[in-house]
Amino acid sequence: AAGVIQSPRHLIKEKRETATLKCYPIPRHDTVYWYQQGPGQDPQFLISFYEKMQSDKGSIPDRFSAQQFSDYHSELNMSSLELGDSALYFCASSSPLAVTLLSTDTQYFGPGTRLTVL
Amino acid sequence: DAKTTQPPSMDCAEGRAANLPCNHSTISGNEYVYWYRQIHSQGPQYIIHGLKNNETNEMASLIITEDRKSSTLILPHATLRDTAVYYCIVRVVKNYGGSQGNLIFGKGTKLSVKP
Repeated sequence: AAGVIQSPRHLIKEKRETATLKCYPIPRHDTVYWYQQGPGQDPQFLISFYEKMQSDKGSIPDRFSAQQFSDYHSELNMSSLELGDSALYFCASSSPLAVTLLSTDTQYFGPGTRLTVL
Repeated sequence: DAKTTQPPSMDCAEGRAANLPCNHSTISGNEYVYWYRQIHSQGPQYIIHGLKNNETNEMASLIITEDRKSSTLILPHATLRDTAVYYCIVRVVKNYGGSQGNLIFGKGTKLSVKP
């Protein structure tokens, strides 16, 4: 089965540079989530999109922005990179079920992008 | 979302069942229990989820106590490839369609399967 695709898989940047991470959700999934996992840390939620609109926002720095495009892929843009931005960045996608009293969706994660800021 | 408590680490012999406990004593009626695992720096992998009934799939079984305050993930025949950090996550379910919100990862249990 098709999975979530993230590109690039590895990225090395200098301080103060910009970076763009891309996420291609599982086909027919319309919701995308971004998570950041620092060294030795657990994944932390950054931001999510549902049907191309921002749906939730977590601990995302103001230097970061993201969007979801008409084909449902998403991009995370990171500017003025800092050493502390070095982390694994995961994208997850889900497909909310039809409206039911107890509907839920399951998030499926991509392999991640390892960003190293020097 | 309710908080969860898991032991920080567990060992299991290869071929034996691995039973990973999770406490979620403040869980409310509209919250599901989800289990994910992360194998060294890979993306978290969905395992199973449930509301109040026990669930089983090709990967694992989920046993939820009748009062829903705790659960156990069972890997029936652990292999070396099951060595990973296992996360128990309680997640509110909204009673309408659309995005159900992000996952909140705690510290998880580091399971080491030994030969």
